[in-house]
Amino acid sequence: DAGVIQSPRHEVTEMGQEVTLRCKPISGHDYLFWYRQTMMRGLELLIYFNNNVPIDDSGMPEDRFSAKMPNASFSTLKIQPSEPRDSAVYFCASSPGLNGYTFGSGTRLTVV
Amino acid sequence: QKEVEQNSGPLSVPEGAIASLNCTYSDRVSQSFFWYRQYSGKSPELIMSIYSNGDKEDGRFTAQLNKASQYVSLLIRDSQPSDSATYLCAVINAGKSTFGDGTTLTVKP
Repeated sequence: DAGVIQSPRHEVTEMGQEVTLRCKPISGHDYLFWYRQTMMRGLELLIYFNNNVPIDDSGMPEDRFSAKMPNASFSTLKIQPSEPRDSAVYFCASSPGLNGYTFGSGTRLTVV
Repeated sequence: QKEVEQNSGPLSVPEGAIASLNCTYSDRVSQSFFWYRQYSGKSPELIMSIYSNGDKEDGRFTAQLNKASQYVSLLIRDSQPSDSATYLCAVINAGKSTFGDGTTLTVKP
């Protein structure tokens, strides 16, 4: 099992640019989560899906953020336009039911 | 009050000692509790889950849950330098996990 796969591992972009983060969950896991981690705020839940359907997006900071899960094996988190305060490590995680999560390696986003 | 609170740390113990990590949560209806370990620059890794009151042991790790006190802890016996990491407590409520800020543990040889 390859685990949860995220891409890219690192992203450096200029303010105002669109950023797309990608995630492939573990096959058979019906829950997918997007988290953001910063030193100041810790791990924050942005949005989560159950069977490809968004269940709770109350953690999405603002309209600049959007997430999709078109099928059971792929999800994207998009930021448009990006701002320096979006700089963080973004994690995707999946789980079978509401159990412990398996996290991907994360995407370190730097917006300059 | 934060939903999940952990000892601010950092916590330092000598090799071979018992490390005790604590976590409290605010929502009484929470049902599932987890401990994750996160090495610097890496992603969180699930190490323990506990769902009912009492103790759960897995190797050198013991998770303890007391729902009446809204308290969950992690004990690491015979601590090793490789246990040096940040430990995150997570609580599932209404379908999603809320994480504490973590406690950084250093095990000194």
